[in-house]
Amino acid sequence: EAGVAQSPRYKIIEKRQSVAFWCNPISGHATLYWYQQILGQGPKLLIQFQNNGVVDDSQLPKDRFSAERLKGVDSTLKIQPAKLEDSAVYLCASSHYRQGISGANVLTFGAGSRLTVL
Amino acid sequence: AQKVTQAQTEISVVEKEDVTLDCVYETRDTTYYLFWYKQPPSGELVFLIRRNSFDEQNEISGRYSWNFQKSTSSFNFTITASQVVDSAVYFCALRGVSGGSNYKLTFGKGTLLTVNP
Repeated sequence: EAGVAQSPRYKIIEKRQSVAFWCNPISGHATLYWYQQILGQGPKLLIQFQNNGVVDDSQLPKDRFSAERLKGVDSTLKIQPAKLEDSAVYLCASSHYRQGISGANVLTFGAGSRLTVL
Repeated sequence: AQKVTQAQTEISVVEKEDVTLDCVYETRDTTYYLFWYKQPPSGELVFLIRRNSFDEQNEISGRYSWNFQKSTSSFNFTITASQVVDSAVYFCALRGVSGGSNYKLTFGKGTLLTVNP
């Protein structure tokens, strides 16, 4: 099966500019996640969608970050305006939702989008 | 709240040595899953293993083995006869499926393993 697709792979912007990242999950995966991974740290969950509804966005800095998954398939994460501390890799992941499905609870990650804010 | 602690920040070994990566977790959930992911220099997180909280059997897959001990809240990962290709950052992660954790997957900070030839 095709993996989780993300774009762009790399983005360099200046602070206060805006940026958007796109993710297309594995077909049939109802749950989609955006993680932020700062250099030298583990991934931190920003937002979790179940179909097109938000399940958890408690760690999303809502004053500058937004995410949507309008049709329950692909998703966009936006940062506006960017700050220096937003420099990180943004990882998208997806998983099955139903517990009975083999592989449920296993997240499959994309290659990530590396953001550098100057 | 969930927490995963990987006390070893970096480990360096010589090829063919055995190495164990430690993972200690905290959760209020009665049902949960534990995971190990590998992140090679390319950056993509690669799933290695999932363990549920009801199954404390140790597991072996080739050169990899996992020791799950609920009594000490630990889920350690051992690589036998390490190879240069094992060099990567390894993450332990926890996902609660009860108790209102919203199925959140929480990662540790990772252990950088370097295997030298």
